[in-house]
Amino acid sequence: AQTVTQSQPEMSVQEAETVTLSCTYDTSENNYYLFWYKQPPSRQMILVIRQEAYKQQNATENRFSVNFQKAAKSFSLKISDSQLGDTAMYFCAFMKHVKGAQKLVFGQGTRLTINP
Amino acid sequence: EPEVTQTPSHQVTQMGQEVILRCVPISNHLYFYWYRQILGQKVEFLVSFYNNEISEKSEIFDDQFSVERPDGSNFTLKIRSTKLEDSAMYFCASKELADEQFFGPGTRLTVL
Repeated sequence: AQTVTQSQPEMSVQEAETVTLSCTYDTSENNYYLFWYKQPPSRQMILVIRQEAYKQQNATENRFSVNFQKAAKSFSLKISDSQLGDTAMYFCAFMKHVKGAQKLVFGQGTRLTINP
Repeated sequence: EPEVTQTPSHQVTQMGQEVILRCVPISNHLYFYWYRQILGQKVEFLVSFYNNEISEKSEIFDDQFSVERPDGSNFTLKIRSTKLEDSAMYFCASKELADEQFFGPGTRLTVL
């Protein structure tokens, strides 16, 4: 079974700073996807960024980038130039890369607060 | 842009009552999911559904739970006899063939 661990329950930074959220996972699969979801106070789940395990290049989406270390089973999210609107819960998630109705396995989440 | 919708946004019920949570997935999607999030905790998988049958279910998804796709658009989650511990946010998600699951806004279920 797959597990996802986020070791930082809460983080807080000043606006415009860079912040890195940690995620580690455990799997025996070779092909899989990793995701970061953002959950603002509205509790909507919003996809921030995704990484396919077979791709060596780290994914980037504007101010969001990941550091994917497959051998270490680590998948951290870096938010550059943080904004007040980035305040939210952030969940790391894993999904097998096989055909079919594959489920997402989530970590416990990190509550990120951006201070003005 | 197409989106997953869920109704109601908030449901309050008495313990022991039946509830039905409704979802309208994105129209060309093939795979459907229900997830649950107890307040302050992580999001947990309940069930996946494809081709009019359950693909996988978690240990949470016991005999009190059922899912149905009664027509071409709706996807429902029924809890037959609610318990206090069923109070949570319930998310519906859907996906096409590709990897990304699109989430609905959630239904907050409160069991009194």
